[in-house]
Amino acid sequence: AQSVTQLDSQVPVFEEAPVELRCNYSSSVSVYLFWYVQYPNQGLQLLLKYLSGSTLVKGINGFEAEFNKSQTSFHLRKPSVHISDTAEYFCAVSDQWKGAQKLVFGQGTRLTINP
Amino acid sequence: GAGVSQTPSNKVTEKGKYVELRCDPISGHTALYWYRQSLGQGPEFLIYFQGTGAADDSGLPNDRFFAVRPEGSVSTLKIQRTERGDSAMYLCASSWDRGSEAFFGQGTRLTVV
Repeated sequence: AQSVTQLDSQVPVFEEAPVELRCNYSSSVSVYLFWYVQYPNQGLQLLLKYLSGSTLVKGINGFEAEFNKSQTSFHLRKPSVHISDTAEYFCAVSDQWKGAQKLVFGQGTRLTINP
Repeated sequence: GAGVSQTPSNKVTEKGKYVELRCDPISGHTALYWYRQSLGQGPEFLIYFQGTGAADDSGLPNDRFFAVRPEGSVSTLKIQRTERGDSAMYLCASSWDRGSEAFFGQGTRLTVV
């Protein structure tokens, strides 16, 4: 079985400051890793994904994440945030054999950007 | 359509009633997924369809929950004898196949009173 832990339920940040949202996972098999964003009253949108290859993954809206297999982490970073980045962010993992189906999500991190 | 469409966007029902939630996936997507998201939580997997068949229904919480996809396109999630604990956002997603990115709809917020 897989599980995902997002270490911070809420992260307040000032506009234009850097941010890191932390994600750790546990799995007995090789995994794919994802970050999704959920804006208020909307569905989930994929920010980025790690399937294989380079451990540094770049996504949309200036976000990036680094896969660290030894630490079983996949932290999300952005060097300078904007008010529009205010949203809920979810880290997710799936069994490589099963692909994108049956994603296991963390509990989410609410990112609040203050002016 | 341009994206995954879910109807209704909101549904309020009385305890004990039967409800149906509809998902219209992106045209051509063979894989379809249902997730449930309780308030303050991440989404939890319910069921996965590949074509018309349910390839994995291990996330359905009990036999009050059932889902169909008779023609391999639109799917309906059916909940019998609803309970207050069923109140949640129900999310549908679709993808070209099980290995590709899943696109999510905006969800149906179900409230059981």
